Amino acid sequence: DADVTQTPRNRITKTGKRIMLECSQTKGHDRMYWYRQDPGLGLRLIYYSFDVKDINKGEISDGYSVSRQAQAKFSLSLESAIPNQTALYFCATSDSRTVAGELFFGEGSRLTVL
Amino acid sequence: GESVGLHLPTLSVQEGDNSIINCAYSNSASDYFIWYKQESGKGPQFIIDIRSNMDKRQGQRVTVLLNKTVKHLSLQIAATQPGDSAVYFCAEKLISSASKIIFGSGTRLSIRP
Repeated sequence: DADVTQTPRNRITKTGKRIMLECSQTKGHDRMYWYRQDPGLGLRLIYYSFDVKDINKGEISDGYSVSRQAQAKFSLSLESAIPNQTALYFCATSDSRTVAGELFFGEGSRLTVL
Repeated sequence: GESVGLHLPTLSVQEGDNSIINCAYSNSASDYFIWYKQESGKGPQFIIDIRSNMDKRQGQRVTVLLNKTVKHLSLQIAATQPGDSAVYFCAEKLISSASKIIFGSGTRLSIRP
């Protein structure tokens, strides 16, 4: 089983719909992240959380919200999806006890907004 | 502002040859520089990192070189194999900036048989 699990893996939705992407991890890491990947733009940080009561905006948080329901769960919501939010979304975790803070990624959730 | 970029978007290498993937960065205050590999349909995977006070670090078949004078980072892969085909991202981390990791746009490495 994957250490970082994202659901759904693929989703097609319409403009204006509310979408939630979920992430759960079994690595026991305290830090969790949501990244967005677009062709030619690499990965951009949307939100990150260093523990259950901590939520921080990343580079591109507008139009997104997150919830850290438990140490192992971090969900990303699009309240009213728009076509330019079509992208590949990755959840990642890291352990604050390691200085370099290697990120461990899920396999991605591909979202298409029509 | 911070930026991490790559010199070439694609790189084609003969199987068995060495590969060199380059990266330029602008934030001289970054504490760590990191390379990730992303295979098709998968999330990025950590390859190797280097602390900013080092010039070179070696792993299994990979070597990362850091030239702080010209703000340049490279990943060398020895004896490139078909399984090395992927997109490679360099990234930088500034511990004082909430340890956020900023990624570059990636280089696609393809292997010729």
